[in-house]
Formats: sequence, C-alpha cells, structure tokens
Amino acid sequence: NAGVTQTPKFRVLKTGQSMTLLCAQDMNHEYMYWYRQDPGMGLRLIHYSVGEGTTAKGEVPDGYNVSRLKKQNFLLGLESAAPSQTSVYFCASSYSSGAGQPQHFGDGTRLSIL
Amino acid sequence: DAKTTQPNSMESNEEEPVHLPCNHSTISGTDYIHWYRQLPSQGPEYVIHGLTSNVNNRMASLAIAEDRKSSTLILHRATLRDAAVYYCILRASGGYQKVTFGIGTKLQVIP
Repeated sequence: NAGVTQTPKFRVLKTGQSMTLLCAQDMNHEYMYWYRQDPGMGLRLIHYSVGEGTTAKGEVPDGYNVSRLKKQNFLLGLESAAPSQTSVYFCASSYSSGAGQPQHFGDGTRLSIL
Repeated sequence: DAKTTQPNSMESNEEEPVHLPCNHSTISGTDYIHWYRQLPSQGPEYVIHGLTSNVNNRMASLAIAEDRKSSTLILHRATLRDAAVYYCILRASGGYQKVTFGIGTKLQVIP
C-alpha cells in the first residue's frame, strides 16, 4: 500500500537555489496539503488544494509555490531557497474536508538550506 | 480554533495500558476529536477520532468525557513500537478547516 509518497527524502541546497518537492497519492483523494515541521512548533500548513487545478494559501505560504495539475500529484516549489526554509516537509491527503475525515501523511522530505 | 492541552511527556512500561489525556475545555458541539501519532523520522499517522461516543479500533480506544471537555486515548497494551509523539486535535465542521498540530505528548515505553 503506497498511500502518500514524497520525493526526495533528503536534500541539501545552497541559498538562492530552487527545487521542487513532489507528493503523490494513490487513494483518489480530493484534498492535498503541504506542511512544514520545525522543532518546538508543531506542523504548520503551507498550502493546500481542494481539487485538481486549485490551490490555496495556508498559515506560512511566503517563499513557496504549489501546483496541482493532476489529482494525484501536489508539487511544492521553492524559487529561491533561504536558510529559514530548512525544515522537514510533509505532504498529506484526505478524501474530503469533512471534520470526521482523517489526513494521510507521507514520511517527509528533510531539506537543509546552507 | 479551539485549543487542546496535553502533557509534554509520559512514560509507560511495556505491555501495560497507557492513558494519554487531552483537555479541550473550549470545544464546540460540532468539533471532532482526532488523535494522530508520529514515530521518529516518520510522518504523522492517524490513530482514531470521535465526536461524542467512545470509539474503538484496532490501534486504540478513545474515551470522551460526557461534557466533551476532555478525552483520553487508551493504548491497551503498550509496545516499544508505540513510542511516539501523540497529538490530540480538534476539527470543526463546516467548510475547509485546517488541521492544527500542537506539540503533543511524547510517550516513552520502558522495556
């Protein structure tokens, strides 16, 4: 059972470089999310999508862009990486936005910006 | 969003039951109570959720107070694999509501 798959698992970037994190889900879920997790701060929502072709801002969207061209994929882009974006990034998906619906998470991408 | 309060850490002996508490005194009538856990170097994993009644599944049980201002996640027999950070989260009904993860409770299981 693949569930939510994130690539890459680890990455080191230099300040100013760009990169794209890929999230793929095989559960036919409508909703997808990108979070970042930093020590002592819990998970914070970056961007989310309520369906193919749609995206919306979360709590901490600055410095990131996203795209959802296919229902199963949700891409997170860093156009010009900064050390403050060093974090662990998690992607999640859910069937709907209903309060009783759980979110399913990937195992994360550990990103270091030097 | 209504907030939850959990102890920062707890310890349990292996093969004994574990009761993880969560206070949510400002919960509204339509808020669901969700529990997730996060094992080291992994993403959060859904454990269980409920609205008013106690719930059981293969992973755990959820006991919800009659006034819904607190809940308890029960692991019936802790194993070393249950060592993780456990998050208690409230999710409101109506429209899109983001999931807000706090700091959670770090559970240590002692062999």
